[in-house]
Amino acid sequence: ETGVTQSPTHLIKTRGQQVTLRCSSQSGHNTVSWYQQALGQGPQFIFQYYREEENGRGNFPPRFSGLQFPNYSSELNVNALELDDSALYLCASSLAGGSSYNEQFFGPGTRLTVL
Amino acid sequence: SQQGEEDPQALSIQEGENATMNCSYKTSINNLQWYRQNSGRGLVHLILIRSNEREKHSGRLRVTLDTSKKSSSLLITASRAADTASYFCATAGGTSYGKLTFGQGTILTVHP
Repeated sequence: ETGVTQSPTHLIKTRGQQVTLRCSSQSGHNTVSWYQQALGQGPQFIFQYYREEENGRGNFPPRFSGLQFPNYSSELNVNALELDDSALYLCASSLAGGSSYNEQFFGPGTRLTVL
Repeated sequence: SQQGEEDPQALSIQEGENATMNCSYKTSINNLQWYRQNSGRGLVHLILIRSNEREKHSGRLRVTLDTSKKSSSLLITASRAADTASYFCATAGGTSYGKLTFGQGTILTVHP
C-alpha cells in the first residue's frame, strides 16, 4: 500500500450533476496529481496541485477543477457531468512540485459511473 | 492522447516462464516508469529508470531503456500467478511538473 487514500470508492451520478472526489496524499508528500482512466485505456493527466495552486493541466475542460488544502490533501470537482466522464479517477502524490525526477504513488481510485 | 504504445496488448504465459513487455514513446523524456494495475484498481509503482540509465533491476524485474530508439522493455523473470495484471509504462518529461504520460498497457495472464 502506498499510503495514498481516496474517497469514495464508488460513485453513481446522473448526467448534469456535480461530483467531488477526495484524496489524501502520502505522508511527507506535498504534491497531488489527478488522472482519469477510461475502461481499457491508460490513465490521462488531468492536473496537478502544489502548494495549494494548480501547477499544470492536461487537456480537460474547465468543468474539471480542483483544490489542495494546507495538509496537502486534494479534491477533484467535476461539474455538469457527461456520460463520457464515467471512469476510474486516480490521484497520485509525490514530492517537490512533482519534479520529473520523482516517482508518483497512486491511490486505489474512485470509480465514477454517470447514468 | 497517449504517448506510449505497449506491445503486446495481451500476453498469456505459464507460471515459471519469463514475460517481456515493450514500450515505445515519441518525445524526449526525463525518466520512464513502469506500473502494475490489478483489476482496474490503483497503480502500483514498480520501477523508475532515468534517461541517462540503460538498465535497472529490482527483484525479478529488469528494465531497459534505449533513448535512441525511444523504447523500453520490462522483463519479469520466473513469473507467478500473482503477477497477473495490467502493466503500464509512463514517461515524464517536457514539463516542469512531472506529468506522466501513459501507454495503453499490456494485459499479462500467468496460468498456474
